Amino acid sequence: EVQLVESGGGLVQPGGSLRLSCETSGFTFSSFSMNWVRQAPGKGLECVATIKQDGTEKYYVDSVRGRFTISRDNAENSLYLQMNSLRAEDTAVYYCVRSHGFFWGQGTLVTVSS
Amino acid sequence: DVVMTQSPLSLPVTLGQPASISCRSSQSLVHSDGNTYLNWFQQRPGQSPRRLIYKVSNRDSGVPDRFSGSGSGTDFTLEISRVEAEDVGVYYCMQVTHWPRTFGQGTKVEIK
Repeated sequence: EVQLVESGGGLVQPGGSLRLSCETSGFTFSSFSMNWVRQAPGKGLECVATIKQDGTEKYYVDSVRGRFTISRDNAENSLYLQMNSLRAEDTAVYYCVRSHGFFWGQGTLVTVSS
Repeated sequence: DVVMTQSPLSLPVTLGQPASISCRSSQSLVHSDGNTYLNWFQQRPGQSPRRLIYKVSNRDSGVPDRFSGSGSGTDFTLEISRVEAEDVGVYYCMQVTHWPRTFGQGTKVEIK
């Protein structure tokens, strides 16, 4: 059974940092690109970062480029999102999503507020 | 970035009647490999999104056959042949042809 389990969310002050993790199981992690997709309260879906299978290519939406870093550890079957210089508008549920979207995690809530 | 535009944004429907959602992209979604990577997702209240359709018209496993996808190039449609109560939620199109991946704004389907 494929599982994607996010962790690391929480309350952080503006300007602060958080590192999200996604532990995966049930599939060959190194064979799939991976995404972080977020959803602000009451809003739509936004793919903030994608990383290719071997980690050599990474893509970011403009609003997070330079502040967020996506990475992966294929030996540990894990995906990460380092989030720096957080802003109120980064408040959202962050989902770990495999490749073209068939598998999603349950999400982890990040709240940026003073 | 490729902009995905859905319409309508709100869709009240009568149970048993058909529903149709449009999704247009700002550039062609035909990949260099010849495939068109346009997916549709359903998000029920309080749940993670669920993929319904991949590559324009292919239903994912377990998706009822009342859901169908069509289109080409920059113009795509999700149709529900007869809306059931469990279909209430928000529907998103998403392109995975270009980087970064982008979603439409979402269409909220509700029962009249």
